[in-house]
Amino acid sequence: SQKIEQNSEALNIQEGKTATLTCNYTNYSPAYLQWYRQDPGRGPVFLLLIRENEKEKRKERLKVTFDTTLKQSLFHITASQPADSATYLCAPLRPTYNAGNNRKLIWGLGTSLAVNP
Amino acid sequence: NAGVMQNPRHLVRRRGQEARLRCSPMKGHSHVYWYRQLPEEGLKFMVYLQKENIIDESGMPKERFSAEFPKEGPSILRIQQVVRGDSAAYFCASSPPEGTWGYTFGSGTRLTVV
Repeated sequence: SQKIEQNSEALNIQEGKTATLTCNYTNYSPAYLQWYRQDPGRGPVFLLLIRENEKEKRKERLKVTFDTTLKQSLFHITASQPADSATYLCAPLRPTYNAGNNRKLIWGLGTSLAVNP
Repeated sequence: NAGVMQNPRHLVRRRGQEARLRCSPMKGHSHVYWYRQLPEEGLKFMVYLQKENIIDESGMPKERFSAEFPKEGPSILRIQQVVRGDSAAYFCASSPPEGTWGYTFGSGTRLTVV
């Protein structure tokens, strides 16, 4: 069955450093991979989407890579800040175009990031 | 432009009662997804709906759970005869009809069955 794995242990880093989070998938060939942030008691917030034909995507201090050979995506936050502390979720997606363009997401468990001042 | 609105934020039900969770998608979004999240577990897909159509309900238990997205009004996730194991956070997400971009989630409804 399809499996999504993210760093299971919480990541603690010092403010100003770069945080790197990993998402590995098996038995799956996603066409897209999305990254979300979730704060306690809140719904996930979309951050970035990367397509299978893109190696890298950037948005401000965020960078995502997508290696379809390794079946892995890396999520980087540069110059991290305490406000970046949250759980980060990855969600690969390969839409199926039968039954009305089904686009349900399969989620990793998330990696908890704590940025210490 | 309001985001995805879910209500209530918190819902307490006794075992055997019915729970109704509401979700109003973002303006212009015609696709709605319901997910369930348990503590220490990931988000689990339940159902995907478009206006007046259930597209995929493969993640929804066959009994006691139902969902609808009528032509007018919010999407409703209905849980009949709730049991303690139904206690969870239920999130709704919406997306536009076409294209590939991230989904917009609501803040969720936290259901507690006592």
